[in-house]
Amino acid sequence: AQSVTQLDSQVPVFEEAPVELRCNYSSSVSVYLFWYVQYPNQGLQLLLKYLSGSTLVESINGFEAEFNKSQTSFHLRKPSVHISDTAEYFCAVIRSGGYQKVTFGTGTKLQVIP
Amino acid sequence: DADVTQTPRNRITKTGKRIMLECSQTKGHDRMYWYRQDPGLGLQLIYYSFDVKDINKGEISDGYSVSRQAQAKFSLSLESAIPNQTALYFCATSDRGQGDVTQYFGPGTRLTVL
Repeated sequence: AQSVTQLDSQVPVFEEAPVELRCNYSSSVSVYLFWYVQYPNQGLQLLLKYLSGSTLVESINGFEAEFNKSQTSFHLRKPSVHISDTAEYFCAVIRSGGYQKVTFGTGTKLQVIP
Repeated sequence: DADVTQTPRNRITKTGKRIMLECSQTKGHDRMYWYRQDPGLGLQLIYYSFDVKDINKGEISDGYSVSRQAQAKFSLSLESAIPNQTALYFCATSDRGQGDVTQYFGPGTRLTVL
């Protein structure tokens, strides 16, 4: 079985400050890792993903996440947040091989304060 | 993602009514999924289908049924709606899984059962 833990349900941060949203996972097999973003009253959009290769992955809007196998983590970071980053962020894992069961974390609401 | 559409976007119904939520995709993906989102619980998988002839129960299938009418269409039905089925419902698609296992989500259907 696999599980995803997002310990922070809400993260308030001032505009232009850095932010880290934490994600830890548990799995007995190799996994692929994802971050999705959900803006108010919208669906989930893929933010970034780790499938293989470089453990540091980046999104087009300045977010990055690093896959750390030893710590089973995939934390999301941004050096300087903008008001438009206010949203809920979901970490997800898919086991590699077999059927693609996706396990989502419970989400972290990022509130950027002007 | 505009490639995955859901109808209706909002629906209010009464206890005991039969409801159908529809999902269509133009991504050409074989695999389709129905999720339910409740505040603080993340996303839970209701049903998934790997092709037209393959339907599988997810984590919370009780009270729901699905129909895969074609590769591009996957419908979710609530045979007799009850108030605790009030939630945000998402459809998602993914490719066969030879490389990219990313799931792409529709905009969601907000269902309220009175």
